[in-house]
Amino acid sequence: NAGVTQTPKFQVLKTGQSMTLQCAQDMNHEYMSWYRQDPGMGLRLIHYSVGAGITDQGEVPNGYNVSRSTTEDFPLRLLSAAPSQTSVYFCASSPDWTDSYEQYFGPGTRLTVT
Amino acid sequence: KQEVTQIPAALSVPEGENLVLNCSFTDSAIYNLQWFRQDPGKGLTSLLLIQSSQREQTSGRLNASLDKSSGRSTLYIAASQPGDSATYLCAVRPPKRETSGSRLTFGEGTQLTVNP
Repeated sequence: NAGVTQTPKFQVLKTGQSMTLQCAQDMNHEYMSWYRQDPGMGLRLIHYSVGAGITDQGEVPNGYNVSRSTTEDFPLRLLSAAPSQTSVYFCASSPDWTDSYEQYFGPGTRLTVT
Repeated sequence: KQEVTQIPAALSVPEGENLVLNCSFTDSAIYNLQWFRQDPGKGLTSLLLIQSSQREQTSGRLNASLDKSSGRSTLYIAASQPGDSATYLCAVRPPKRETSGSRLTFGEGTQLTVNP
């Protein structure tokens, strides 16, 4: 298994540009989530999904959209990038949100918005 | 709102030393607690998962304990090695009954350096 994969690894955007961060997992996990990691603030939950077709907001959802059309993929969209969205983004998955499984993280996408 | 604190923020020790990393959380109503390791520029690797009903978990040279009533967890690393150098993060998960599902609340981590 490749586990949780994220693309791209690095990205530089200009203010106002849009882009999609890709996340995929090949473990047939129901639960997927997106976090951002910022110095002094730790990891914070952006959006999550408990299964295909079901998404919900986390702690810091503003400026981000998600969808979950398949079990494998959970893309994160920035519609109009802002400098405040400069961060490292991590995607995570676990087998079932209702149970005690640990979460598996992808390698991250480092995004810079100028 | 759950808050997770990790002390110290950074730690430097000589190789071979046994060490303890601390994690505290404000709301004792947790479902489980997970310790992660993060290498520079990399993602998070899960080390240990402790259920709320457990007191400790062990994996190799790592031992994690949980005292839910006092809101504390410790990660004990025995006979530290330079390869243990990384940032160690703890994260707590809320009870099942919450609609937030499997969301984790993270501490900011302890940056560990083990010197040869």
